[in-house]
Amino acid sequence: AQSVTQLGSHVSVSEGALVLLRCNYSSSVPPYLFWYVQYPNQGLQLLLKYTTGATLVKGINGFEAEFKKSETSFHLTKPSAHMSDAAEYFCAVRRPNFGNEKLTFGTGTRLTIIP
Amino acid sequence: KAGVTQTPRYLIKTRGQQVTLSCSPISGHRSVSWYQQTPGQGLQFLFEYFSETQRNKGNFPGRFSGRQFSNSRSEMNVSTLELGDSALYLCASSLRGVSGNTIYFGEGSWLTVV
Repeated sequence: AQSVTQLGSHVSVSEGALVLLRCNYSSSVPPYLFWYVQYPNQGLQLLLKYTTGATLVKGINGFEAEFKKSETSFHLTKPSAHMSDAAEYFCAVRRPNFGNEKLTFGTGTRLTIIP
Repeated sequence: KAGVTQTPRYLIKTRGQQVTLSCSPISGHRSVSWYQQTPGQGLQFLFEYFSETQRNKGNFPGRFSGRQFSNSRSEMNVSTLELGDSALYLCASSLRGVSGNTIYFGEGSWLTVV
């Protein structure tokens, strides 16, 4: 079975400061990894994903994440936080099998930006 | 290109009633999945449909069911509603079988059971 752990259900950073949201996963095989963002009263929007290849992936809105197999981690970072980044962020994993569309999500991290 | 469309966006039902939620996937996507999101349990996978067949199922009681039509549109039904079924129900669509494909989500249907 796969699982995802997001450390810190709430994270607050000052505007312009580094954003770091942590995600660790457990999987018997190297999984596909995703970060989604959810703004209030909206669905989930994909920020970035890792499937194969380069372990540092860049996404939308200046976010990036690095897949570290040895640490089973996929932490999300952004060099400089903007007020518009305030939202809830979900890390998710998926088994890399053809035809497997099931995502397993972490519990989410609510990001607050301090002006 | 239009995204995943869910209807209705908001609804209120009474305990014991049933509810049907609808989802239209992105054009060309034939896989549709459903998720339940609650403050207590987070995001949980309900089921996935592809080519009108359920391909995968989460750990939910039989009161939760779904179906998919030949045009890939999907519906999910919850019968004998309980207060605990109050949640945001999210539909997602994807190009099943494409390596590394992205799963796209709709805006969700907010269900309140009173």
